[in-house]
Amino acid sequence: DAGVIQSPRHEVTEMGQEVTLRCKPISGHDYLFWYRQTMMRGLELLIYFNNNVPIDDSGMPEDRFSAKMPNASFSTLKIQPSEPRDSAVYFCASRPNRGGTEAFFGQGTRLTVV
Amino acid sequence: KNQVEQSPQSLIILEGKNCTLQCNYTVSPFSNLRWYKQDTGRGPVSLTIMTFSENTKSNGRYTATLDADTKQSSLHITASQLSDSASYICVVGYTGGFKTIFGAGTRLFVKA
Repeated sequence: DAGVIQSPRHEVTEMGQEVTLRCKPISGHDYLFWYRQTMMRGLELLIYFNNNVPIDDSGMPEDRFSAKMPNASFSTLKIQPSEPRDSAVYFCASRPNRGGTEAFFGQGTRLTVV
Repeated sequence: KNQVEQSPQSLIILEGKNCTLQCNYTVSPFSNLRWYKQDTGRGPVSLTIMTFSENTKSNGRYTATLDADTKQSSLHITASQLSDSASYICVVGYTGGFKTIFGAGTRLFVKA
């Protein structure tokens, strides 16, 4: 398995533009997580899905952020409109349904909003 | 307030030496504690996970300990290698679900 695949690896956009980050979880994993990592705040859980259904989105910072999981093999995190303070590395992770197992992280998308 | 504090913030050691990283938490109700290694530019990779009843777990040269009474954990690295240079993140899970609190991490530099 290729692991969790995220795209793009790097994204530079202008303030006010819409940004869409993509994630392909590991096949067979029932849980998918979106995280944000910054120097100031470290890693933060934004939202997670179980069987394509959003379970907890309490970490989503604002209404400008939205996430979808239309099927078991694809998820998106959208920021509209983007702001410079959204600049961070966004990680997607997935894990199977068995208790006690670890989440596997993707390589991340480094977002820069100028 | 649920918190996870790691120390030191950064650490420099010579190749071949041992080191110990600390994690103190005030998370309740406690579910599990995980240590992750994150190389620069990469996603975190799990090293160990411990539940309330476990007080030590090893993964090669990495040994994690957990004292649920004092709410402290440590990660001991034996015979460090240059490839151990990374950030080590302590993550505490609570409420039995996927609610987690991340520590800020310890940045380890191993020098030749």
